[in-house]
Amino acid sequence: DADVTQTPRNRITKTGKRIMLECSQTKGHDRMYWYRQDPGLGLRLIYYSFDVKDINKGEISDGYSVSRQAQAKFSLSLESAIPNQTALYFCATSDSGGGGELFFGEGSRLTVL
Amino acid sequence: RKEVEQDPGPFNVPEGATVAFNCTYSNSASQSFFWYRQDCRKEPKLLMSVYSSGNEDGRFTAQLNRASQYISLLIRDSKLSDSATYLCVVNNNQGGKLIFGQGTELSVKP
Repeated sequence: DADVTQTPRNRITKTGKRIMLECSQTKGHDRMYWYRQDPGLGLRLIYYSFDVKDINKGEISDGYSVSRQAQAKFSLSLESAIPNQTALYFCATSDSGGGGELFFGEGSRLTVL
Repeated sequence: RKEVEQDPGPFNVPEGATVAFNCTYSNSASQSFFWYRQDCRKEPKLLMSVYSSGNEDGRFTAQLNRASQYISLLIRDSKLSDSATYLCVVNNNQGGKLIFGQGTELSVKP
């Protein structure tokens, strides 16, 4: 089983719908992140959390919210999805003392029609 | 100006070629630097960290130039399996966030 698991892996939805992407990890890491990837733009940070009580906005947090339900779980919500939120979303974890290695989930491909 | 910039490529090279990628970063206070590899439709994975003294791992060599604020990745004797997108990643020291470049696509041909 993967150390970082994202669900769903693929989702097609309509404009205005609420969507939740879930991430769980078995690595025991404190830090969790949500990134989105768009062609030509690389990965951009949406939100990150360094422990259960810590939530921080990344560079593109507008239109998104997150919840850190437990050390192992970090979910991303789109309250009212819009087409330009169509992207590949990655959850990642890191150890607080790890310097910089991120461990990614396999990604969630979201299409908003 | 983007915090981390890479030449998006694509770089199309024959097997056995040597290819180099450069990446520039804007925050002079950045302390940690990395190269990640991403295969098509897959998640990124750490390829190697970049140390001030430079470091080598087999056919891969990474170097850091703090004065000019760029890092490089050299791949020698390219293999077909090296075809991927290479992502430059910088820890900008602002709360431990990692900033990704847009990636450089490499295609190694027979």
